[in-house]
Amino acid sequence: ETGVTQTPRHLVMGMTNKKSLKCEQHLGHNAMYWYKQSAKKPLELMFVYNFKEQTENNSVPSRFSPECPNSSHLFLHLHTLQPEDSALYLCASSTRTGGNTEAFFGQGTRLTVV
Amino acid sequence: AQSVSQHNHHVILSEAASLELGCNYSYGGTVNLFWYVQYPGQHLQLLLKYFSGDPLVKGIKGFEAEFIKSKFSFNLRKPSVQWSDTAEYFCAVNGGSGNTGKLIFGQGTTLQVKP
Repeated sequence: ETGVTQTPRHLVMGMTNKKSLKCEQHLGHNAMYWYKQSAKKPLELMFVYNFKEQTENNSVPSRFSPECPNSSHLFLHLHTLQPEDSALYLCASSTRTGGNTEAFFGQGTRLTVV
Repeated sequence: AQSVSQHNHHVILSEAASLELGCNYSYGGTVNLFWYVQYPGQHLQLLLKYFSGDPLVKGIKGFEAEFIKSKFSFNLRKPSVQWSDTAEYFCAVNGGSGNTGKLIFGQGTTLQVKP
């Protein structure tokens, strides 16, 4: 058990669909992250939230829309995705940004866009 | 640009063999360094980390890594691997105490240990 829970674990969606990924952390952390893991590519940061405020957007297309209503929950809203967006989406949390802290990862959502 | 390079993409060892996985990074300034492991079907979990101090750090399950600043390296080692060490290993870096939280990852190394 990692303390970071992601749902759903698997998602198949059409290019015209709208869906959301959910992440919840039970570690009392204040920073949350979305990463993308594509086949044969390094994990790539998408967004950073610190105390509910977005502090980094790594040039992510607007068809990915994050939401952080509180320090424990993070969502990734998806709409009009492309097949190349199929990947494993990982959520992570840490005590905060800007310090000597480590990130704790969820198990990920395996997304397939058809 | 900031980057992390893992030299070995796929390593196959027999049980009891010694392991060394290479990791080099390109990053201006102080760094925090990490090795994460992903066992089949499981989440990424931290093996060990370096923030400051002794450049030889010990982690879980008998793993250790050495930070060599002059070589921009943070290689992972284990004297004697077990079948249960079969997994994917990721080296990662962020920018020291003033970092934004962003981790830069290497491409990963798949380790297969034969019983």
